[in-house]
Amino acid sequence: AQSVTQLDSQVPVFEEAPVELRCNYSSSVSVYLFWYVQYPNQGLQLLLKYLSGSTLVESINGFEAEFNKSQTSFHLRKPSVHISDTAEYFCAVTEPHYSGGYNKLIFGAGTRLAVHP
Amino acid sequence: DTEVTQTPKHLVMGMTNKKSLKCEQHMGHRAMYWYKQKAKKPPELMFVYSYEKLSINESVPSRFSPECPNSSLLNLHLHALQPEDSALYLCASSQEGGVLYFGPGTRLTVT
Repeated sequence: AQSVTQLDSQVPVFEEAPVELRCNYSSSVSVYLFWYVQYPNQGLQLLLKYLSGSTLVESINGFEAEFNKSQTSFHLRKPSVHISDTAEYFCAVTEPHYSGGYNKLIFGAGTRLAVHP
Repeated sequence: DTEVTQTPKHLVMGMTNKKSLKCEQHMGHRAMYWYKQKAKKPPELMFVYSYEKLSINESVPSRFSPECPNSSLLNLHLHALQPEDSALYLCASSQEGGVLYFGPGTRLTVT
């Protein structure tokens, strides 16, 4: 069975500092990996996805994540954070169910990123 | 356009009421999902519809009744809920084997 572990429940950081949010997964088959962000009182927004191809994926707002198959990790990084990055970040994994036509996402517990001035 | 819309944004209902949550997408996605999210927790899958047929029911109590009238719409009918059902209800949609796109959610309070 698949599972996702986000190793830090909370990550406090000062503005303009670098940050890494850690995510490890377990699965016996190939997977899709995602990072979603949830701002207070909002839904989930897709931040990054790894489906295939290059193991380093980037978002338009400066985040990046690297798929490491040997370490079963998909850590999220940003070299310089802003106050506006304060949010809950969820790592998620799925095995593609092509025959069923849907994806059953398994979420990690979430990491609360708090950026301080 | 990757928008999933949900109505209402907020809902307060008594334990004897009947209400419905609505979700709509116009991206041509054939899979639609209902998730429940409690405060400070990750979303939990409730139901999945694929090609307008119920594919997954994660042992959800019968007081929650999903409906998929067509490929763009997903409803969640609520009846005789309990206070512990208060949560953020999220709808999502995806193409076959693709990324899930989430709506903004409906904040439900059961009194």
